[in-house]
Amino acid sequence: AQKITQTQPGMFVQEKEAVTLDCTYDTSDPSYGLFWYKQPSSGEMIFLIYQGSYDQQNATEGRYSLNFQKARKSANLVISASQLGDSAMYFCAMREDYSGGGADGLTFGKGTHLIIQP
Amino acid sequence: KAGVTQTPRYLIKTRGQQVTLSCSPISGHRSVSWYQQTPGQGLQFLFEYFSETQRNKGNFPGRFSGRQFSNSRSEMNVSTLELGDSALYLCASSRDGDSYEQYFGPGTRLTVT
Repeated sequence: AQKITQTQPGMFVQEKEAVTLDCTYDTSDPSYGLFWYKQPSSGEMIFLIYQGSYDQQNATEGRYSLNFQKARKSANLVISASQLGDSAMYFCAMREDYSGGGADGLTFGKGTHLIIQP
Repeated sequence: KAGVTQTPRYLIKTRGQQVTLSCSPISGHRSVSWYQQTPGQGLQFLFEYFSETQRNKGNFPGRFSGRQFSNSRSEMNVSTLELGDSALYLCASSRDGDSYEQYFGPGTRLTVT
Protein backbone atom coordinates (compact mmCIF):
# COMPACT_ATOMS: atom_id res chain seq x y z
CA ALA A 1 0.00 0.00 0.00
CA GLN A 2 1.16 3.50 -0.75
CA LYS A 3 2.28 5.41 2.28
CA ILE A 4 1.44 8.81 0.82
CA THR A 5 -1.48 9.32 -1.55
CA GLN A 6 -2.15 12.49 -3.47
CA THR A 7 -5.32 11.98 -5.48
CA GLN A 8 -5.16 15.15 -7.58
CA PRO A 9 -2.65 14.79 -10.43
CA GLY A 10 -3.44 18.31 -11.63
CA MET A 11 -5.45 21.35 -10.62
CA PHE A 12 -6.40 24.60 -12.32
CA VAL A 13 -7.26 27.47 -9.99
CA GLN A 14 -8.10 31.10 -10.57
CA GLU A 15 -5.69 33.63 -9.15
CA LYS A 16 -6.60 34.88 -5.65
CA GLU A 17 -8.75 31.85 -4.89
CA ALA A 18 -7.89 29.51 -2.03
CA VAL A 19 -6.54 26.07 -2.93
CA THR A 20 -6.68 22.79 -1.05
CA LEU A 21 -4.28 20.04 -2.05
CA ASP A 22 -5.19 16.62 -0.70
CA CYS A 23 -2.86 14.21 1.01
CA THR A 24 -3.58 11.02 2.92
CA TYR A 25 -0.96 8.88 4.58
CA ASP A 26 -0.57 5.43 6.01
CA THR A 27 1.61 4.54 8.96
CA SER A 28 1.45 2.45 12.09
CA ASP A 29 4.22 4.44 13.73
CA PRO A 30 2.86 6.81 16.42
CA SER A 31 5.72 9.21 15.81
CA TYR A 32 6.00 10.79 12.39
CA GLY A 33 6.32 14.08 10.60
CA LEU A 34 4.37 15.36 7.62
CA PHE A 35 5.80 17.81 5.12
CA TRP A 36 4.78 19.75 2.06
CA TYR A 37 7.27 20.76 -0.60
CA LYS A 38 6.91 22.91 -3.70
CA GLN A 39 8.88 22.07 -6.81
CA PRO A 40 8.92 24.73 -9.54
CA SER A 41 9.97 23.82 -13.05
CA SER A 42 13.58 24.60 -12.07
CA GLY A 43 13.57 21.37 -10.07
CA GLU A 44 14.56 22.59 -6.62
CA MET A 45 12.41 21.32 -3.73
CA ILE A 46 11.23 24.16 -1.52
CA PHE A 47 10.11 23.35 2.03
CA LEU A 48 6.70 24.86 2.79
CA ILE A 49 5.31 23.50 6.03
CA TYR A 50 5.70 20.78 8.64
CA GLN A 51 3.30 19.01 11.01
CA GLY A 52 4.39 16.62 13.74
CA SER A 53 2.16 13.73 14.69
CA TYR A 54 1.94 14.95 18.28
CA ASP A 55 1.26 18.56 17.41
CA GLN A 56 -2.13 19.63 18.73
CA GLN A 57 -2.60 22.59 16.45
CA ASN A 58 -2.55 22.81 12.67
CA ALA A 59 0.67 24.25 11.30
CA THR A 60 0.63 27.59 9.52
CA GLU A 61 3.34 29.40 7.56
CA GLY A 62 2.21 32.64 5.96
CA ARG A 63 -0.29 31.79 3.21
CA TYR A 64 0.19 28.05 3.82
CA SER A 65 -1.68 26.04 6.39
CA LEU A 66 -1.88 22.33 6.96
CA ASN A 67 -5.27 20.82 7.75
CA PHE A 68 -4.20 17.89 9.93
CA GLN A 69 -6.89 15.29 10.65
CA LYS A 70 -5.06 12.54 12.49
CA ALA A 71 -7.96 10.09 12.77
CA ARG A 72 -8.52 10.29 9.03
CA LYS A 73 -4.76 10.21 8.35
CA SER A 74 -5.16 13.31 6.27
CA ALA A 75 -2.76 16.27 5.89
CA ASN A 76 -4.16 18.65 3.30
CA LEU A 77 -2.29 21.79 2.29
CA VAL A 78 -4.31 24.98 2.04
CA ILE A 79 -2.94 27.94 0.12
CA SER A 80 -4.87 31.13 0.70
CA ALA A 81 -5.12 33.87 -1.92
CA SER A 82 -3.25 31.98 -4.65
CA GLN A 83 -0.73 33.80 -6.82
CA LEU A 84 0.62 33.12 -10.29
CA GLY A 85 3.95 32.21 -8.71
CA ASP A 86 2.29 29.35 -6.86
CA SER A 87 2.14 27.36 -10.10
CA ALA A 88 4.34 24.33 -9.48
CA MET A 89 4.34 20.68 -8.43
CA TYR A 90 3.42 20.13 -4.81
CA PHE A 91 4.55 17.08 -2.89
CA CYS A 92 3.31 15.71 0.38
CA ALA A 93 5.89 13.68 2.31
CA MET A 94 6.19 11.75 5.54
CA ARG A 95 9.07 10.80 7.77
CA GLU A 96 8.41 7.98 10.26
CA ASP A 97 9.91 7.32 13.68
CA TYR A 98 10.66 10.98 13.68
CA SER A 99 11.35 11.77 17.28
CA GLY A 100 13.04 8.51 18.09
CA GLY A 101 16.33 9.42 16.51
CA GLY A 102 16.08 6.66 13.95
CA ALA A 103 14.28 8.63 11.32
CA ASP A 104 14.07 7.20 7.85
CA GLY A 105 14.17 9.26 4.72
CA LEU A 106 11.19 11.13 3.43
CA THR A 107 8.49 9.15 1.62
CA PHE A 108 6.88 11.30 -1.04
CA GLY A 109 3.53 11.20 -2.76
CA LYS A 110 3.26 11.40 -6.55
CA GLY A 111 2.55 15.09 -6.42
CA THR A 112 -0.10 17.54 -7.63
CA HIS A 113 0.59 19.86 -10.53
CA LEU A 114 -1.02 23.17 -9.60
CA ILE A 115 -1.60 25.80 -12.27
CA ILE A 116 -2.81 29.23 -11.25
CA GLN A 117 -4.69 31.04 -14.00
CA PRO A 118 -4.95 34.85 -14.22
CA LYS B 1 24.11 31.80 4.17
CA ALA B 2 24.77 29.69 1.09
CA GLY B 3 22.27 26.98 0.28
CA VAL B 4 22.84 23.37 -0.64
CA THR B 5 24.98 23.07 -3.74
CA GLN B 6 25.18 20.12 -6.08
CA THR B 7 27.67 19.50 -8.83
CA PRO B 8 27.49 18.95 -11.65
CA ARG B 9 24.04 20.25 -12.54
CA TYR B 10 23.79 18.22 -15.72
CA LEU B 11 25.53 15.05 -16.77
CA ILE B 12 25.34 12.72 -19.75
CA LYS B 13 26.82 9.26 -19.42
CA THR B 14 26.80 6.05 -21.39
CA ARG B 15 25.40 2.72 -20.22
CA GLY B 16 27.97 0.77 -18.26
CA GLN B 17 29.92 3.79 -17.09
CA GLN B 18 30.02 5.03 -13.53
CA VAL B 19 29.24 8.46 -12.17
CA THR B 20 29.96 10.46 -9.02
CA LEU B 21 27.71 13.27 -7.87
CA SER B 22 28.64 15.79 -5.20
CA CYS B 23 26.63 17.63 -2.59
CA SER B 24 27.76 20.39 -0.25
CA PRO B 25 25.32 20.98 2.59
CA ILE B 26 24.49 24.25 4.24
CA SER B 27 27.26 25.33 6.59
CA GLY B 28 26.74 23.77 9.99
CA HIS B 29 24.48 20.98 8.72
CA ARG B 30 25.72 17.49 9.44
CA SER B 31 23.05 15.35 7.81
CA VAL B 32 22.84 14.75 4.08
CA SER B 33 20.16 12.72 2.33
CA TRP B 34 19.95 11.70 -1.32
CA TYR B 35 16.83 11.18 -3.40
CA GLN B 36 16.17 10.00 -6.94
CA GLN B 37 13.32 11.54 -8.93
CA THR B 38 11.99 9.91 -12.09
CA PRO B 39 8.70 10.42 -13.94
CA GLY B 40 7.72 6.80 -13.36
CA GLN B 41 8.74 6.18 -9.77
CA GLY B 42 8.55 9.71 -8.42
CA LEU B 43 10.79 10.73 -5.55
CA GLN B 44 12.56 7.89 -3.79
CA PHE B 45 14.91 7.94 -0.84
CA LEU B 46 18.39 6.63 -1.56
CA PHE B 47 20.36 7.05 1.66
CA GLU B 48 21.16 9.37 4.53
CA TYR B 49 24.51 10.23 6.04
CA PHE B 50 25.15 11.77 9.40
CA SER B 51 28.59 12.48 10.78
CA GLU B 52 30.24 10.39 8.06
CA THR B 53 28.05 7.35 8.79
CA GLN B 54 25.28 5.96 6.66
CA ARG B 55 22.24 5.91 8.92
CA ASN B 56 19.52 4.79 6.56
CA LYS B 57 19.30 3.29 3.11
CA GLY B 58 16.42 3.05 0.69
CA ASN B 59 15.54 0.14 -1.54
CA PHE B 60 18.16 0.54 -4.24
CA PRO B 61 20.68 -1.96 -5.61
CA GLY B 62 24.27 -2.03 -4.46
CA ARG B 63 25.33 -0.11 -7.58
CA PHE B 64 24.23 2.97 -5.68
CA SER B 65 26.63 3.98 -2.95
CA GLY B 66 27.64 7.08 -1.11
CA ARG B 67 29.89 8.55 1.47
CA GLN B 68 30.25 11.62 3.61
CA PHE B 69 33.41 13.47 4.44
CA SER B 70 34.48 15.11 7.67
CA ASN B 71 33.35 18.51 6.35
CA SER B 72 29.86 17.01 5.79
CA ARG B 73 30.14 17.13 2.02
CA SER B 74 28.71 14.02 0.46
CA GLU B 75 29.18 12.10 -2.74
CA MET B 76 27.06 9.45 -4.30
CA ASN B 77 28.31 6.97 -6.85
CA VAL B 78 26.42 4.89 -9.35
CA SER B 79 28.35 2.12 -11.02
CA THR B 80 27.49 0.22 -14.19
CA LEU B 81 24.92 2.76 -15.27
CA GLU B 82 21.63 1.62 -16.75
CA LEU B 83 19.16 3.57 -18.87
CA GLY B 84 16.75 3.53 -15.94
CA ASP B 85 19.20 5.48 -13.82
CA SER B 86 18.38 8.59 -15.82
CA ALA B 87 16.86 10.87 -13.22
CA LEU B 88 17.09 14.04 -11.21
CA TYR B 89 19.22 13.34 -8.14
CA LEU B 90 18.41 15.60 -5.24
CA CYS B 91 20.45 16.14 -2.14
CA ALA B 92 19.02 17.53 1.09
CA SER B 93 20.77 18.72 4.20
CA SER B 94 19.59 19.24 7.73
CA ARG B 95 21.25 20.45 10.91
CA ASP B 96 21.22 17.06 12.52
CA GLY B 97 19.55 13.74 12.03
CA ASP B 98 16.46 14.74 13.98
CA SER B 99 15.87 18.10 12.37
CA TYR B 100 12.62 18.24 10.46
CA GLU B 101 13.77 20.96 8.11
CA GLN B 102 15.48 19.40 5.14
CA TYR B 103 16.82 21.91 2.63
CA PHE B 104 17.17 20.64 -0.90
CA GLY B 105 19.74 21.50 -3.51
CA PRO B 106 18.93 22.21 -7.17
CA GLY B 107 19.67 18.64 -8.17
CA THR B 108 21.85 16.92 -10.72
CA ARG B 109 20.09 15.79 -13.87
CA LEU B 110 21.69 12.59 -15.08
CA THR B 111 20.98 11.25 -18.54
CA VAL B 112 22.18 7.77 -19.44
CA THR B 113 22.34 6.96 -23.15
